[in-house]
Amino acid sequence: DVKVTQSSRYLVKRTGEKVFLECVQDMDHENMFWYRQDPGLGLRLIYFSYDVKMKEKGDIPEGYSVSREKKERFSLILESASTNQTSMYLCASSTSSVGTGELFFGEGSRLTVL
Amino acid sequence: GEDVEQSLFLSVREGDSSVINCTYTDSSSTYLYWYKQEPGAGLQLLTYIFSNMDMKQDQRLTVLLNKKDKHLSLRIADTQTGDSAIYFCAERASDAGGTSYGKLTFGQGTILTVHP
Repeated sequence: DVKVTQSSRYLVKRTGEKVFLECVQDMDHENMFWYRQDPGLGLRLIYFSYDVKMKEKGDIPEGYSVSREKKERFSLILESASTNQTSMYLCASSTSSVGTGELFFGEGSRLTVL
Repeated sequence: GEDVEQSLFLSVREGDSSVINCTYTDSSSTYLYWYKQEPGAGLQLLTYIFSNMDMKQDQRLTVLLNKKDKHLSLRIADTQTGDSAIYFCAERASDAGGTSYGKLTFGQGTILTVHP
């Protein structure tokens, strides 16, 4: 069974703290994505990666960075958390092979910044 | 850039049909998707349609695609309380330029509430 695992389901952090959100997939997928979900705004793409050590900005990259040192792992980093980064963060992966292009999602990490 | 729009709320009675609508802007979309998100969970693919199709049926689900109007709909027949969830429409742009890397653009999500 395909699986995308986000290590933290719930986090509470203080303004200015550094935050790491980890995501691991076991499907040998080339592509990995970080989305942010907010009510009424849907999912917005923060960053994505199409290969190890490769990264591309999405629609809302400001205040975030990412790291992909291994194919199966994609980390989202908030260098200095702010209250407007309180949100649900969703990691996803997909294959580059020919097919439907389906994204497989993790369960999400709900971050609260106080 | 791509933009996907959905209405935010839909309320139906158990046993009725639900129709969730979506409009998109990217005429080069290759696949269009419907994802379902249950409370406290990630998104799961419900169904998809390739852009050269105009209809797809899968048990209680019917997807209609009008490419001319860039309009996608999801019909759920005999809606059950277990269908209460957020439904997201998403589009995948063409990879012809080799730069989309499978990115999906999502709508705002429609909260479907099913009343007994």
